[in-house]
Amino acid sequence: GAGVSQSPSNKVTEKGKDVELRCDPISGHTALYWYRQSLGQGLEFLIYFQGNSAPDKSGLPSDRFSAERTGGSVSTLTIQRTQQEDSAVYLCASSFISQETQYFGPGTRLLVL
Amino acid sequence: GNSVTQMEGPVTLSEEAFLTINCTYTATGYPSLFWYVQYPGEGLQLLLKATKADDKGSNKGFEATYRKETTSFHLEKGSVQVSDSAVYFCALSVGGSTLGRLYFGRGTQLTVWP
Repeated sequence: GAGVSQSPSNKVTEKGKDVELRCDPISGHTALYWYRQSLGQGLEFLIYFQGNSAPDKSGLPSDRFSAERTGGSVSTLTIQRTQQEDSAVYLCASSFISQETQYFGPGTRLLVL
Repeated sequence: GNSVTQMEGPVTLSEEAFLTINCTYTATGYPSLFWYVQYPGEGLQLLLKATKADDKGSNKGFEATYRKETTSFHLEKGSVQVSDSAVYFCALSVGGSTLGRLYFGRGTQLTVWP
């Protein structure tokens, strides 16, 4: 079946602009996770959704970052007033339920100029 | 807290050599342990996992055994191939308040030469 998909695959933006990153999880997966992969920090957890609610937002680095999930499916990660340090690959993963194996999407590579 | 430490790379081997990538962890609670692999230009893929002590995860000739007494989950392969060249990440998840989020090591770059 279809895996986790993310769009766009690449995004170049100017400092100060807002960006939206989209994740389509595997159908039927109730748990959804966002991670960030950067050279200096490795792989960092950002936020976890169970259904449409986000019981764990502890990894969001600042209040410029927000995320939502609608219909228990698609999720959008929004970064407001982007900064150069936001440049990274943003990864989405889903699992059937929390604590089960997570399946990752291909990521969105974000470059802030 | 929860954390994973894996050996620094890069690791460079000749084809058919033996591979070990060390991984140790600290965890609050009883973790599940994973190895993920990232091939060049591709996303993270689950390589293998183990959910309880003394379990051995295996896939594609790779193996790792969950050692609670040494808090380790070292990755091994008896004979590597050029196609194994990738970045390997050790990870753990625990239940409770962290709800299955993954804690990753920094990754180990493996290059295999023919």
